Amino acid sequence: KQEVTQIPAALSVPEGENLVLNCSFTDSAIYNLQWFRQDPGKGLTSLLLIQSSQREQTSGRLNASLDKSSGRSTLYIAASQPGDSATYLCAVRPRDTGNQFYFGTGTSLTVIP
Amino acid sequence: EAGVVQSPRYKIIEKKQPVAFWCNPISGHNTLYWYRQNLGQGPELLIRYENEEAVDDSQLPKDRFSAERLKGVDSTLKIQPAELGDSAVYLCASSLKGQFTGELFFGEGSRLTVL
Repeated sequence: KQEVTQIPAALSVPEGENLVLNCSFTDSAIYNLQWFRQDPGKGLTSLLLIQSSQREQTSGRLNASLDKSSGRSTLYIAASQPGDSATYLCAVRPRDTGNQFYFGTGTSLTVIP
Repeated sequence: EAGVVQSPRYKIIEKKQPVAFWCNPISGHNTLYWYRQNLGQGPELLIRYENEEAVDDSQLPKDRFSAERLKGVDSTLKIQPAELGDSAVYLCASSLKGQFTGELFFGEGSRLTVL
């Protein structure tokens, strides 16, 4: 069974700092990896989707990379803002289970003004 | 275009009472998922539908949970009777059927508190 790990569980940074969130997975045979943001009491909002054939995806201040061989993905947030404070989760879709997704437990980010 | 719609957003019940959650996926998304999320954890799959068919319900506690997706569009998840340990957020998500590379979209969730 695919296992997804996100370290650290919590991160606190001053406003304006660039930061990296990590996601690791145990089986490299995946269709894609998706990063989500979750605000307190809310559902998950899709941030970036990286297909298995891609190395990275960018949206605004966000850049996600994927290294399948090492079972790792990173989410880079440039020039962090207090509004970026949320929990960030990654999910992978393994090839052997088709439409199933496996989630990490998330990294809780606090950006201090 | 509307996203995934869930109701109710919040529900407080006493243990042993029944509860039901409703989900309407994004139009054209034939794959529908119900997840349960406990505090500080990632979502865990309860059941996945491809159209009307439940193709993965291995994690659904069938003694008290049931789900249906009539006509392959909206879906209902029911718990009867509820237990204290069922307190969680129930999330509905959808993706494009047949697209293993497709993006997953979530609703706002239904927060259940069992007293």
